[in-house]
Amino acid sequence: AQKITQTQPGMFVQEKEAVTLDCTYDTSDPSYGLFWYKQPSSGEMIFLIYQGSYDQQNATEGRYSLNFQKARKSANLVISASQLGDSAMYFCAMSPGGSYIPTFGRGTSLIVHP
Amino acid sequence: DAGVTQSPTHLIKTRGQQVTLRCSPKSGHDTVSWYQQALGQGPQFIFQYYEEEERQRGNFPDRFSGHQFPNYSSELNVNALLLGDSALYLCASSSGTYFSTEAFFGQGTRLTVV
Repeated sequence: AQKITQTQPGMFVQEKEAVTLDCTYDTSDPSYGLFWYKQPSSGEMIFLIYQGSYDQQNATEGRYSLNFQKARKSANLVISASQLGDSAMYFCAMSPGGSYIPTFGRGTSLIVHP
Repeated sequence: DAGVTQSPTHLIKTRGQQVTLRCSPKSGHDTVSWYQQALGQGPQFIFQYYEEEERQRGNFPDRFSGHQFPNYSSELNVNALLLGDSALYLCASSSGTYFSTEAFFGQGTRLTVV
């Protein structure tokens, strides 16, 4: 069974500062993918970034980067230069290779202050 | 190009009633997955439909059923509603593949059972 743990229920950051959202996972599958989603108050889950378990380099997508530490089973999301529009819930998810079913964490609420 | 659309956006039902939620996938997508997101939780996989058949199912009782139409749109039916069924129901569409970065989510239907 897969498990995702997000230990930060809420985070606050000043506009233009960087912030790290924590995610640890547990799986026995050798092949898996790690995903981060943003969920604004409108409800839609917006895909941000993906990391494959065999990827050698950390994924980056614009202001988002994923700090992947395989031995520690962690996949932290780093948002650089925070913007007011980044205020939302953030979910970490994992899916084993060849699976239809993702496992999501409980999410972290991020509030960006002006 | 319209993304994933869900209807209705909000719904209030009484315990014991039945409800039907609807989802139209993104253009070009043939697979629809449904998720339940309880308050303060991450989304949980209910089931997935592909080629008008249920391909995979999560840990949900038989009160939860679905259907996919030839145009790839889908319905989620919940019978004998319980208070615990109150949640945001999300639909995600993709192109007949395993869970991947290609999954697009709708804004959800917020169901309240009273």
